[in-house]
Formats: sequence, structure tokens, C-alpha cells
Amino acid sequence: AQSVAQPEDQVNVAEGNPLTVKCTYSVSGNPYLFWYVQYPNRGLQFLLKYITGDNLVKGSYGFEAEFNKSQTSFHLKKPSALVSDSALYFCAVRPPTSGTYKYIFGTGTRLKVLA
Amino acid sequence: EAQVTQNPRYLITVTGKKLTVTCSQNMNHEYMSWYRQDPGLGLRQIYYSMNVEVTDKGDVPEGYKVSRKEKRNFPLILESPSPNQTSLYFCASRGTGATEAFFGQGTRLTVV
Repeated sequence: AQSVAQPEDQVNVAEGNPLTVKCTYSVSGNPYLFWYVQYPNRGLQFLLKYITGDNLVKGSYGFEAEFNKSQTSFHLKKPSALVSDSALYFCAVRPPTSGTYKYIFGTGTRLKVLA
Repeated sequence: EAQVTQNPRYLITVTGKKLTVTCSQNMNHEYMSWYRQDPGLGLRQIYYSMNVEVTDKGDVPEGYKVSRKEKRNFPLILESPSPNQTSLYFCASRGTGATEAFFGQGTRLTVV
């Protein structure tokens, strides 16, 4: 079965330190990969995506993500965390089948950046 | 401003009383979708639509209906809500190709 795993329910990091939020997937083919962020009482907002090309993709608010095909991972990173980065982060995968609108979401990782 | 608008934001209802949650997008997107978000389960797709009059079931369609009579609107209908449909609901839309989705602000539904 196709799936997306975010192994950490919560990640705590001190402000100014680098952060990593992990995501691995089990989807055949070459899926599209996405990260979304959810702030309290808000909908999900797009951060970045990987479609093809360079394994390191840059997105909004200084975030970046590294695609690793052999490990089927797409970890979200930021060199220096801010308190305002505290939110719920979702990894999502869209299988490459044409004509489908099938997103598979991970269960989410809550990021807490401590001042 | 490009946006997906859901209404209402909050709703408390009683078991069995039909309700509709509206969703509208102003980006002329072909694809629209409904999700529910539950703790520990992430987002699960309820229904999606590829275009006007074209809809299909997602992962958890039981107890829900949708319609897509116009491109901009994609209402979610609960004919006979039950307490296990208490959840946070999101509507999303996207264009064609490898594009990202735009999400509404969510509807928190409580069924008592």
C-alpha cells in the first residue's frame, strides 16, 4: 500500500539552531513531493515541492527540502529556526499516475521552536 | 487575492440533521477536493472532483456526498451526520500539472 511516514510526532529545537523534519514515502514510480505547513486555526499553506531535477529544493520562509531517491525520503530543513516557525508540518506525496488527484499525506509533525 | 473559501468555520449540529459545508475557489482550478483532519491520522481525502460534473470517491467517502455543478463551487453534504463525523474539514483546489494545492481555512464540525 502506498504510504507516507513522518516518524516524529513532535520536534523541539532551540531558536537559531538548524531543524529537520523527516518524511519517508512508499510510492512506486517518481511521485511529486510536497511540504505544507499549518498554523493554528488556519488551513494548510504550501511550502515547497519536488518534481524533478536538483535534489535540494528551496521554498518559502527559508525552508528547503532534500530529496533522496534511494532512501525514498524528502526531509524538510531550515538552517536557523525561528519561534514563528512553530507549527504543524505535513509531508504529502502525489503518485505520478496521470489524471489522478490523489494526495497521500503524512500524519504531521508538530515543530516547537523554543526561545 | 487567490483563495479557497469555506463556510461555516465552526458548526455544532445534532445527529441526523442534514448539513452542507460550502467551498468556493476563485482561481479557475479544475481540481477540487475535500479532506478531514483527525489527530494522529493526518489528512484523509473524502471526495475529489476533476472538473464540472466529474467527481470520485477518496479514501473515506462513507456518509458524505458532493456535487460540482459549477467550476468554482464544491459543496460537501452530510445527509445524516453522526458523531464519528466530528472532525476538522478542509477544501482544497489546484490547477493542472504538478501544481500545489490551495486550502481553505477549515470547518470545525461537531456532531452531538
